[in-house]
Amino acid sequence: SSELTQDPAVSVALGQTVTIICQGDCLRTYSASWYQQRPGQTPVLVMYDKNKRPSGIPDRFSGSASGGTASLTITGAQAEDEADYYCNSRDRSGSRVVFGGGTQLTVL
Amino acid sequence: EVQLVESGGGVVQPGGSLRLSCAASGFTFDHYSMHWVRQAPGKGLEWVSVTNGQGGARKYADSVEGRFIISRDNSKNALYLQMKSLRSEDTAFYYCAKEHSSGWPAIDYWGRGTLVTVS
Repeated sequence: SSELTQDPAVSVALGQTVTIICQGDCLRTYSASWYQQRPGQTPVLVMYDKNKRPSGIPDRFSGSASGGTASLTITGAQAEDEADYYCNSRDRSGSRVVFGGGTQLTVL
Repeated sequence: EVQLVESGGGVVQPGGSLRLSCAASGFTFDHYSMHWVRQAPGKGLEWVSVTNGQGGARKYADSVEGRFIISRDNSKNALYLQMKSLRSEDTAFYYCAKEHSSGWPAIDYWGRGTLVTVS
């Protein structure tokens, strides 16, 4: 089992706000990054160092963390945000990388 | 423009070996750690291995430790993954990936992947 846990699926109505959660003890020490993967495409970094957005990522994406939980929030979800979202971080030893199992986001 | 192009995937029998390559361009290759990440068809992302910019430090997921070796040739801007004792559960798309400038585990560029099928 993964050191990072995500809900398998989440849905949101078009234009509403959704938060995707990633949980793990390693997040008490290390920051999470988040990736968006649309069907048939490679992952895209949407958040790093807990709450930093790479250039080109819309500002409706935001990140936060508290204790052993990292969160990715989409404020005003758009149809194009429908995708799988993965978190990752260092593991508890700090020497390896772990990914969460992914959350499939459906925009209704 | 950063480009990562994997090659070397294919069909291999259980117990067999395969060597993946990744040609990198568009950035100063030896300044960045590089990763291999895999994804079984229809499944989630699984981190495989990382090597630092000079290639002297390497780490592996428990699932591949002792069977896979990551290496790089900075003179050729190339990353490799030597895989042996392959198992059916190693079947996946293998992505070459570059660490973000803030450091790993953030990954800012991914190749398109090469498919390894163990059957």
